[in-house]
Amino acid sequence: NAGVMQNPRHLVRRRGQEARLRCSPMKGHSHVYWYRQLPEEGLKFMVYLQKENIIDESGMPKERFSAEFPKEGPSILRIQQVVRGDSAAYFCASSPVSSSYNEQFFGPGTRLTVL
Amino acid sequence: AQSVTQPDIHITVSEGASLELRCNYSYGATPYLFWYVQSPGQGLQLLLKYFSGDTLVQGIKGFEAEFKRSQSSFNLRKPSVHWSDAAEYFCAVGVTGNQFYFGTGTSLTVIP
Repeated sequence: NAGVMQNPRHLVRRRGQEARLRCSPMKGHSHVYWYRQLPEEGLKFMVYLQKENIIDESGMPKERFSAEFPKEGPSILRIQQVVRGDSAAYFCASSPVSSSYNEQFFGPGTRLTVL
Repeated sequence: AQSVTQPDIHITVSEGASLELRCNYSYGATPYLFWYVQSPGQGLQLLLKYFSGDTLVQGIKGFEAEFKRSQSSFNLRKPSVHWSDAAEYFCAVGVTGNQFYFGTGTSLTVIP
């Protein structure tokens, strides 16, 4: 039973380019969460999605960032016109049901470096 | 507002010594509490969780944590640390709306 998959594991972009981060949840999980971890900091919630729906994007920057979880395929976190401050580790987590007491299973993360 | 505080940024212990990592939370309702461990370059692995019931919970790798409502704390403990326990440890609170609030983490170094 594969865990949460994220790719790429490492991504290098130049300022102004677009970054696309992919997340495949665990089998049977229909809830996906994205977190950002800045150097020397904890994880900060960005967005919570179910299939074809954004449930909570209160942690997402208003500009340049977007997320989707289509009916088929992985969840995508898209960062347009990246800046150096976007350099961070981006973690995806999934859970089988919607509940605050339900464990979230984390992927290995995508480490984004903006040159 | 919900928050999680891990007051110790970095802790160093000798192998075989006992360990306690502190976690304090601020949340108005009954909290759902978690401890995760992150090895370098890896994702987060769940160590243990508390929802209700017995306030002392056992986790994997010999870890345990105690929920103390009066102190708003959920400290992680291990009686004898192994070198492989060196990692970053995160305390988290699950709140309604499915957000997890994470502390800033405690980095554990284990010396021989």
